[in-house]
Amino acid sequence: KNQVEQSPQSLIILEGKNCTLQCNYTVSPFSNLRWYKQDTGRGPVSLTIMTFSENTKSNGRYTATLDADTKQSSLHITASQLSDSASYICVVSGFILTGGGNKLTFGTGTQLKVEL
Amino acid sequence: NAGVTQTPKFRILKIGQSMTLQCAQDMNHNYMYWYRQDPGMGLKLIYYSVGAGITDKGEVPNGYNVSRSTTEDFPLRLELAAPSQTSVYFCASSDGRSGANVLTFGAGSRLTVL
Repeated sequence: KNQVEQSPQSLIILEGKNCTLQCNYTVSPFSNLRWYKQDTGRGPVSLTIMTFSENTKSNGRYTATLDADTKQSSLHITASQLSDSASYICVVSGFILTGGGNKLTFGTGTQLKVEL
Repeated sequence: NAGVTQTPKFRILKIGQSMTLQCAQDMNHNYMYWYRQDPGMGLKLIYYSVGAGITDKGEVPNGYNVSRSTTEDFPLRLELAAPSQTSVYFCASSDGRSGANVLTFGAGSRLTVL
């Protein structure tokens, strides 16, 4: 069964600190892995997309890594800010849907809270 | 750019009532999707469309219908609302078949069925 598991489920850190969120997946076939940020009451917003040949990709203070052999990914947030408080969702793109587009398997997210 | 616009943002329905969630995008994207997000669960695909006049079922289509008469609009219809359809619904769009195409999501519609 295709699954995406994220850890921890929730995390509280102090402003300015770094943190790392984990994602393990069993999706096959694999096309790419995405990290989304979802603010409360809003839709998810894409942070990074990585294919199997990419080991790391950065977007400002966000750095994602991918190990396609072990089927693991991480999202590292540097120098956290209050605005980083959100749910971070790992999404794995697998087989092609009928007519095109990709079947996406969503993790349940890590709820991050950044405090003063 | 408005991106993906969903209406309404909130709605309370009684069991058995019908309603339509509206979704419109102004990015000329061919691909559009409807997802539902339940507490503690990952987003699940309800229906999707690869272009005007073409729709397909996703993982959880039962109790829903869609249509795609134009590129811009992709409404989701609930015919006989049930408590199990209480959820947050997200519409999304993307621009192509590329495996790395980025989905743009709307802000969501929170539906409660009592």
